[in-house]
Amino acid sequence: AQSVSQHNHHVILSEAASLELGCNYSYGGTVNLFWYVQYPGQHLQLLLKYFSGDPLVKGIKGFEAEFIKSKFSFNLRKPSVQWSDTAEYFCAVGGYQKVTFGTGTKLQVIP
Amino acid sequence: EPEVTQTPSHQVTQMGQEVILRCVPISNHLYFYWYRQILGQKVEFLVSFYNNEISEKSEIFDDQFSVERPDGSNFTLKIRSTKLEDSAMYFCVCGGQGTDTQYFGPGTRLTVL
Repeated sequence: AQSVSQHNHHVILSEAASLELGCNYSYGGTVNLFWYVQYPGQHLQLLLKYFSGDPLVKGIKGFEAEFIKSKFSFNLRKPSVQWSDTAEYFCAVGGYQKVTFGTGTKLQVIP
Repeated sequence: EPEVTQTPSHQVTQMGQEVILRCVPISNHLYFYWYRQILGQKVEFLVSFYNNEISEKSEIFDDQFSVERPDGSNFTLKIRSTKLEDSAMYFCVCGGQGTDTQYFGPGTRLTVL
């Protein structure tokens, strides 16, 4: 069975601070990993994804994530956050049949 | 950029009533899904649909739920007799052949009174 754990439920940062959101997963097959973002009042959007190849994945809006197979982790990072990054971030694992989401991390960026 | 659309954006219904949530997926996409998100909780998989049949469903997707693609374009989720705990945001999702990226629609907020 596949599962995802996001340990940070609510993160508050000042603008220009660096961000790292943790994500750990368990999955029985070839792993596909995703980060989705949900801005206030908007629908889920894909931020980045990992299928294979380079474990350091770059996404939109300056976000990146690193797949570390030995740690079953796929942490999301951004060197310098902006107020507009305030949103909820979901890590997810799976493939075309089913995607399992983590519980989400609410990020609040203070100007 | 093509988008998934869903109607209505908000549906209010009485407990025990039937509701149908509608979705127009991205054309030429072949994999269809419904997910839901109860307020304050995580996004949950309900069902996947491929080649005009259900390919996987979760334990949430009981006999009260059904899906169909009646005309080759729309993809619907029917809840036969709604319960209070069905109140959630329902997301229609689609995916193309050869890709594992899933595209989310904007969601329908279902409120059961």
